[in-house]
Amino acid sequence: DQQVKQNSPSLSVQEGRISILNCDYTNSMFDYFLWYKKYPAEGPTFLISISSIKDKNEDGRFTVFLNKSAKHLSLHIVPSQPGDSAVYFCAASAHGAGSYQLTFGKGTKLSVIP
Amino acid sequence: ETGVTQTPRHLVMGMTNKKSLKCEQHLGHNAMYWYKQSAKKPLELMFVYSLEERVENNSVPSRFSPECPNSSHLFLHLHTLQPEDSALYLCASSQDRGALKNIQYFGAGTRLSVL
Repeated sequence: DQQVKQNSPSLSVQEGRISILNCDYTNSMFDYFLWYKKYPAEGPTFLISISSIKDKNEDGRFTVFLNKSAKHLSLHIVPSQPGDSAVYFCAASAHGAGSYQLTFGKGTKLSVIP
Repeated sequence: ETGVTQTPRHLVMGMTNKKSLKCEQHLGHNAMYWYKQSAKKPLELMFVYSLEERVENNSVPSRFSPECPNSSHLFLHLHTLQPEDSALYLCASSQDRGALKNIQYFGAGTRLSVL
């Protein structure tokens, strides 16, 4: 059973608008969450992360929101740029034994239309 | 020099071949990982090494054999693979496998096709 779910396989957004990518998780032990971006023919690149003690983390155009009660996180990109077109993976880990293990979602392909 | 380098980038092999994938990290990290990414599936962790000691083997078939001679290099030896093993194999490294904030940095991957 998937512990990290990205239910939207793809998303199209107009350049300059906001992109919102969603991620749900089922394991209440997860306490650290990450977003990775992947271009074709490249490996995933770390984008932004958030600890469970926070509900928001911002880095430039990227903001991650965490709703622990709903076991939901989202990545907001504003304004969206064509160079943001990529596959975005949500990942989670649980501190303690096995904290090295990242559990990934299947990814959401974002297309930013010029 | 990129942080995590994988070679080869593409590999085609027959089911009776023996080949090896190589990964090298230039980040001074202590932990290294092998992942498998199949089409329409999440990344699957295969092996974890911490300070050259294997700490995890996620029930991976014995036809995949990892080797970590030092903290900068990681190999994945392949033999008698099956067509369903065709996938993208990704290597990653992190500062410390037990860190609270486990940020892993990935290589570009090896696209493997088994005929």
